[in-house]
Amino acid sequence: NAGVTQTPKFRVLKTGQSMTLLCAQDMNHEYMYWYRQDPGMGLRLIHYSVGEGTTAKGEVPDGYNVSRLKKQNFLLGLESAAPSQTSVYFCASSSASNQPQHFGDGTRLSIL
Amino acid sequence: GQSLEQPSEVTAVEGAIVQINCTYQTSGFYGLSWYQQHDGGAPTFLSYNGLDGLEETGRFSSFLSRSDSYGYLLLQELQMKDSASYFCVLSSGYSTLTFGKGTMLLVSP
Repeated sequence: NAGVTQTPKFRVLKTGQSMTLLCAQDMNHEYMYWYRQDPGMGLRLIHYSVGEGTTAKGEVPDGYNVSRLKKQNFLLGLESAAPSQTSVYFCASSSASNQPQHFGDGTRLSIL
Repeated sequence: GQSLEQPSEVTAVEGAIVQINCTYQTSGFYGLSWYQQHDGGAPTFLSYNGLDGLEETGRFSSFLSRSDSYGYLLLQELQMKDSASYFCVLSSGYSTLTFGKGTMLLVSP
């Protein structure tokens, strides 16, 4: 009964380092999303995917890259981390664009 | 672009009824959803309105008026566990969701 699983849950990086956040879903959903949430803010869409092998930019894509090589996995990459990317990152999936999104528990990322 | 406005905080007592309003601006409209988030945890889906009117799910109801660009979430028989942040979320295009900044609901005994 896993749903959407995000790894890691916490990470501290130094400015300029790179890392990849992994999202895995076991619901056979076509659509997957990456959001960031900053204090006192709603979630802002970074990138999304409407199926294996596809990706698209969301509201705040700069500084991030994504890949969807397998249907169940959606990876978010930071090539050169910046302090402005300190945030909580949420992954979500849905069966269709107008269906509810199921969220993971988030990754808390701090960049010093 | 798209924008949503909702109150930043609402307080109520256990057993009461509370309404959280949301107004929006968008160039295209697919629907308005509501999500709940406890203490920064995973947001969970509550309700969706694609057409005008009221949708009821247990103690929660959601209303939409497309002509007024307005919706609300109604929570009845409030419980302490309902203390959380509530987000109205606009579907304005293909696979695109825009979240409001959230309303923190504080339920007191």
